[in-house]
Amino acid sequence: AQSVTQLGSHVSVSEGALVLLRCNYSSSVPPYLFWYVQYPNQGLQLLLKYTSAATLVKGINGFEAEFKKSETSFHLTKPSAHMSDAAEYFCAVSGGLKAAGNKLTFGGGTRVLVKP
Amino acid sequence: NAGVMQNPRHLVRRRGQEARLRCSPMKGHSHVYWYRQLPEEGLKFMVYLQKENIIDESGMPKERFSAEFPKEGPSILRIQQVVRGDSAAYFCASSPPTGRTNTGELFFGEGSRLTVL
Repeated sequence: AQSVTQLGSHVSVSEGALVLLRCNYSSSVPPYLFWYVQYPNQGLQLLLKYTSAATLVKGINGFEAEFKKSETSFHLTKPSAHMSDAAEYFCAVSGGLKAAGNKLTFGGGTRVLVKP
Repeated sequence: NAGVMQNPRHLVRRRGQEARLRCSPMKGHSHVYWYRQLPEEGLKFMVYLQKENIIDESGMPKERFSAEFPKEGPSILRIQQVVRGDSAAYFCASSPPTGRTNTGELFFGEGSRLTVL
């Protein structure tokens, strides 16, 4: 079984400041980990994923995340926020190679507000 | 558009009516997943289907909800006798079969937003 906890349902950052979104997971098998972004009234778009290769993963729009097994974390960062980064971000986990299919378990989401 | 297609995008039903939501997966994908997003909440898994088979329905409510993915045509999520608590966004996602082409993620549609009056 898997679960995901995202600390902070809302985060406010200034334009140009660091964006840090926290994600901790629980998994009984080696996990695959994902970050998705959702803009208002739209579907989910994949930002990046960890699938047991490099622990530092780079994604689209300047985002990156680091898999830390000892901390069971997969925090998302971006050095400098843009106004266009205002959206909701979801961390998700799957059972990876041990899973049947690609079923994802999502965290509760973090809504990011970017202040000018 | 080769993405996951969901329709209708918006659906309004009165209490007691039926809602049918349709999902066509991406070309080459044979696995479909349905998720529900309640207002101000994350996505909750409902059901995972392959063609003509339900693989995992552990997230489906025991009553009024059903899903199918026939040999031909889209996947259908059916909600009978809707209640106000069914108001939510329902997302469909797809993936290719397990194998070299499967890179682990799900590809999502834009969602169907159900409002129950």
